[in-house]
Amino acid sequence: SQTIHQWPATLVQPVGSPLSLECTVEGTSNPNLYWYRQAAGRGLQLLFYSVGIGQISSEVPQNLSASRPQDRQFILSSKKLLLSDSGFYLCAWSPDSQETQYFGPGTRLLVL
Amino acid sequence: SQQGEEDPQALSIQEGENATMNCSYKTSINNLQWYRQNSGRGLVHLILIRSNEREKHSGRLRVTLDTSKKSSSLLITASRAADTASYFCATGLEGGGNKLTFGTGTQLKVEL
Repeated sequence: SQTIHQWPATLVQPVGSPLSLECTVEGTSNPNLYWYRQAAGRGLQLLFYSVGIGQISSEVPQNLSASRPQDRQFILSSKKLLLSDSGFYLCAWSPDSQETQYFGPGTRLLVL
Repeated sequence: SQQGEEDPQALSIQEGENATMNCSYKTSINNLQWYRQNSGRGLVHLILIRSNEREKHSGRLRVTLDTSKKSSSLLITASRAADTASYFCATGLEGGGNKLTFGTGTQLKVEL
């Protein structure tokens, strides 16, 4: 069966520090991968999605970037965090031919 | 931007009662999905309904879709305390690939 992992679960970082969040999927190949951010009490905002290695589409201009160095690995990064980067970050995957998305447990990021 | 808007934003009912949540969207869709999120956790897919379908059932869940009104409803029958969670609709747009646009969610509380 397929599983999706995210780490770390919680992260507290100072303003101006770098960020690297990792997401990996097991048990499938060539998945579509997604990064979302969820502000407190709000819906999900799609940040990035990827249909293959090295293929990244950015949905909103921001302080973050994404990379997909391997088929089942998706990384969210920032060179210098802002206070506004705080939130709950969710990674998701979907089979290439299907619309349903499967979510990881999320990373709660607090920038101080 | 949010494509889907859920109504109500919050709903509190007694165990055993039915819970109805509504979702409205703005543009033509390929499919509409409902997801559930327990506090601080990732989202879990509940049900998908395609644009050419009008109603779908899964256990205690019933979803309807009215494309002429650009709206959908999720009915949970005989609710249980364990149904307490946030519920989100998500739309897959025509020509949008496998990307989803999430609504703002309905917070459901089922009391004993």
